[in-house]
Amino acid sequence: GIQVEQSPPDLILQEGANSTLRCNFSDSVNNLQWFHQNPWGQLINLFYIPSGTKQNGRLSATTVATERYSLLYISSSQTTDSGVYFCAANMNYGGSQGNLIFGKGTKLSVKP
Amino acid sequence: DSGVTQTPKHLITATGQRVTLRCSPRSGDLSVYWYQQSLDQGLQFLIQYYNGEERAKGNILERFSAQQFPDLHSELNLSSLELGDSALYFCASSNPGPRDSFISGNTIYFGEGSWLTVV
Repeated sequence: GIQVEQSPPDLILQEGANSTLRCNFSDSVNNLQWFHQNPWGQLINLFYIPSGTKQNGRLSATTVATERYSLLYISSSQTTDSGVYFCAANMNYGGSQGNLIFGKGTKLSVKP
Repeated sequence: DSGVTQTPKHLITATGQRVTLRCSPRSGDLSVYWYQQSLDQGLQFLIQYYNGEERAKGNILERFSAQQFPDLHSELNLSSLELGDSALYFCASSNPGPRDSFISGNTIYFGEGSWLTVV
């Protein structure tokens, strides 16, 4: 099945810094999403982005489907950005919708 | 607030016991998914129901079962619990479009999870 790898596994930033998180996937996907898990465990979806570029405030994401990677950009980071960022993908046609394969995540710590 | 409601939020139980986790999807969402998050396995898909019927199965143990009721809420039953079953269990929901599934670009929304501790 599809494999999802994220890098770096850990990232420590000073407040105000920018960062780029990467997600590589092993096969063509028709669904790729980025999630943020806050320190209380809540999973929040950030982007649905199987291809192209999207922006939402200080966050933006780009997926280059032909090269099988996606990037999440965080600009002017804030302490509230801390948590774990997950990339998840699937390549389901018909049958098994929703079987998102998650990467191991990037743990981000933003220091004041 | 994602609109997906899970109960209980925290649960402590002994090995060998059985528990039921409950999930109410977002209004109008037909699909319900269950995921398990543990330290060693990460986030894993367990099972999906669509409009009352099982649609997909992932790494769900035989000791675990789920169902989706006519009002679309779902329950995950965990039996003969072992220490290794301690984890955060998430329910998620989505509203597939006419062509069904993520092909039509639907995102998936997670509840706040049920923390299960087996002692």
